[in-house]
Amino acid sequence: DTGVSQNPRHKITKRGQNVTFRCDPISEHNRLYWYRQTLGQGPEFLTYFQNEAQLEKSRLLSDRFSAERPKGSFSTLEIQRTEQGDSAMYLCASSFTSGGETQYFGPGTRLLVL
Amino acid sequence: DAKTTQPNSMESNEEEPVHLPCNHSTISGTDYIHWYRQLPSQGPEYVIHGLTSNVNNRMASLAIAEDRKSSTLILHRATLRDAAVYYCILRALISSGSARQLTFGSGTQLTVLP
Repeated sequence: DTGVSQNPRHKITKRGQNVTFRCDPISEHNRLYWYRQTLGQGPEFLTYFQNEAQLEKSRLLSDRFSAERPKGSFSTLEIQRTEQGDSAMYLCASSFTSGGETQYFGPGTRLLVL
Repeated sequence: DAKTTQPNSMESNEEEPVHLPCNHSTISGTDYIHWYRQLPSQGPEYVIHGLTSNVNNRMASLAIAEDRKSSTLILHRATLRDAAVYYCILRALISSGSARQLTFGSGTQLTVLP
């Protein structure tokens, strides 16, 4: 296994368009997290899945954002009607239920909304 | 989650030790101290974590003050590849069935000079 992968790595879109990002976690990991990172800031939590259940959402996750993890494996994050303020790096992380709970991050998808 | 305070930036010379400080005066008795780092254009990467005792791994050492209100990440011989943003994060002990996202601050930007 080569770690967490995310696609696409870069996305440029026009304001008002919908975009979808995909995250493939490490195969045996049952927990999956989405974060957003803007320039010069640390990542901010968006949402979390345990297997296929979405258990927690941040207030940052507006109604235009939706995330799924249909079979408890890969996850998608969709942003509808994108706005310029959505421009950011979207990071996915996965972990396995254990005492340490180390999260392993993917390389991120950089979104630019024009 | 309790907050952490880190210097915005630090410089080090290549092949010299680096001590990255973190203050966490409001830490609770069950908070673990985690360190992650983020290299340019990559997702964060786990470095080390500890509770009370000093910890060593292949990447770094973590020195925790006796009162646990501060800690120091030690890179024994900095290389150019260690140039990154280093994040000090407190995580509550995870109970069965729950999970806690990572709450990142702004971190310390480490510059390694050749």
